[in-house]
Order: sequence, then structure tokens, then C-alpha cells
Amino acid sequence: AQRVTQPEKLLSVFKGAPVELKCNYSYSGSPELFWYVQYSRQRLQLLLRHISRESIKGFTADLNKGETSFHLKKPFAQEEDSAMYYCALKTRVDQFYFGTGTSLTVIP
Amino acid sequence: SQTIHQWPATLVQPVGSPLSLECTVEGTSNPNLYWYRQAAGRGLQLLFYSVGIGQISSEVPQNLSASRPQDRQFILSSKKLLLSDSGFYLCAWSTGRREAFFGQGTRLTVV
Repeated sequence: AQRVTQPEKLLSVFKGAPVELKCNYSYSGSPELFWYVQYSRQRLQLLLRHISRESIKGFTADLNKGETSFHLKKPFAQEEDSAMYYCALKTRVDQFYFGTGTSLTVIP
Repeated sequence: SQTIHQWPATLVQPVGSPLSLECTVEGTSNPNLYWYRQAAGRGLQLLFYSVGIGQISSEVPQNLSASRPQDRQFILSSKKLLLSDSGFYLCAWSTGRREAFFGQGTRLTVV
């Protein structure tokens, strides 16, 4: 069965510090991984996906199949990065499974 | 462009009353449709998934049901609400190899 694990419920970093949000997954097939973000009073929206290999708002995430991880990283955190972040896995039949989320607070 | 509408935004219902939450998608055809429940500390729990009209898959046993009477309409229902049905419900859609797009959500409080 598929499973997405985000071990940190809360994460606080100072502005300008590096940030890493952890995500591990379990899936028997070839996974497609995503990071979603939810800012205060806004709807859940896509941040980035592993197949695009892009950097969005300074965030990057690399799929490590050996470690079954898809950690989200940013070298210098900004106050506007404070939000709820969800890691998600898409199965071969287009079902999306989400982790429990990590609430990131960037301290000025 | 595609849009997703979900209503109502908030709802307060007494225990034992029925429920109907509606979700519609515009600008796309034959989307995959999803209902999720979002709870603090529990993330997003997939409740129902639909690949077409009348085709519903339930992920977890519960007091809720879903229907898809039209291609771009997805309804979440209950005949008799329980206190434990309180929560934040999200509708989402996707097509092909794209990501899932979410509605604004409905905050349901059962009293």
C-alpha cells in the first residue's frame, strides 16, 4: 500500500537560514511525487513536482528512489515561506495520497 | 482556463441531519474527481475518487457517500451526520499527467 510520511508537524527556522522539510514514501510502483503548499486563508496549491525538476520560489526537491525520499529544500528561508506544506504521491491510477503536513514558521 | 467551485464555504448542521456538499469543475472534460478531508495533524485523507460518471471508489469506510451524476459534478453526502463528521472537506480534480487542483473547501461543523 502507498504511504507518505512527513515526520515533522512543526518546523521553525530563522529568516535567511536553510530549511529542509522531510518526506518519505512507500509505493510498489514508480512514484510521481509533489509538494503542495497552503498559505494562510488560501487554497491548497502545487509548489513543485519531481518530474519537472524545477525550482519554485527558491525551493527544490530531489526524488531519491534509494532512500524513498523527496525532501523539500530552500537555502535561505523568507518570512513569506511560512505556510503548511504537504508532500503527495500520485499512483499509476491517478490517486493522490498526502502526508500529514509540516507547518513551517520563518522567524524574522 | 479550468476552475473548480465548491460550496458552501461553511456549514453548521445538527447531528442526525443530512448532508450535501457540491463540487463542480469548469473548463475541462472527463476529469478525475476527489473528495478529501483535512484534519489538523492528520493531513489530507482521501475519501472518494471518481474516474467517470457513476464510478466511485471509496477509500475508507465511513458515514459518507459520494455521487457523480454529471461529468463535472461531484457530490458528498450523508443521510445522518455524526459529530465525528465535522471537519474541512476539499474537492479536487486532475486529468492525465497533471497535478491535482483543489477547491476552497467546506468547513463542516456538526452540532
